[in-house]
Amino acid sequence: DSGVTQTPKHLITATGQRVTLRCSPRSGDLSVYWYQQSLDQGLQFLIQYYNGEERAKGNILERFSAQQFPDLHSELNLSSLELGDSALYFCASSILLGSNEQFFGPGTRLTVL
Amino acid sequence: SQQGEEDPQALSIQEGENATMNCSYKTSINNLQWYRQNSGRGLVHLILIRSNEREKHSGRLRVTLDTSKKSSSLLITASRAADTASYFCATVSRTGNQFYFGTGTSLTVIP
Repeated sequence: DSGVTQTPKHLITATGQRVTLRCSPRSGDLSVYWYQQSLDQGLQFLIQYYNGEERAKGNILERFSAQQFPDLHSELNLSSLELGDSALYFCASSILLGSNEQFFGPGTRLTVL
Repeated sequence: SQQGEEDPQALSIQEGENATMNCSYKTSINNLQWYRQNSGRGLVHLILIRSNEREKHSGRLRVTLDTSKKSSSLLITASRAADTASYFCATVSRTGNQFYFGTGTSLTVIP
């Protein structure tokens, strides 16, 4: 158990809908990262937050947005969902900003029908 | 893409044998990390090697880094069935705020 929690575990929804994925980092970790893992794209870095502020952006679509709250939990919002958004979404956390090891949550499996 | 490439894509060995997987990347890095993922689960950090290091050991793991060739290798010695998983390298940019994961090597260790 990494100490990172993600909810929900599974999410099934229809195209065009909007969903919110939630992540609670390990106690004491200030950095949160979001990743998307699909069969054809591999593991893609989406976005990073540090102590409530966005610090780095990867391959995140404009339809996706995220935020980190004062209690350090984070939410990833996916809107106007398409079939291709079906994937595993992982949240990871680390103590500091930058290059430390990351601790991954169990993931949320999103299926868009 | 700045994503790393891992080789081989899949590897199947007998228990007790050594497993070697390689990672190549494109940009300058701060460090390189290896992670393991059991099917459908979150990734677990294995080892981190900094750009000024050439080799690092942790238990049955040995990692090498050649920054001139932009490549790294992960060696798992005396493999066990429980080592069956996918292994990913992740490069961290010089600024420390960009992470790129490789495509992964799927390792199967046959008992």
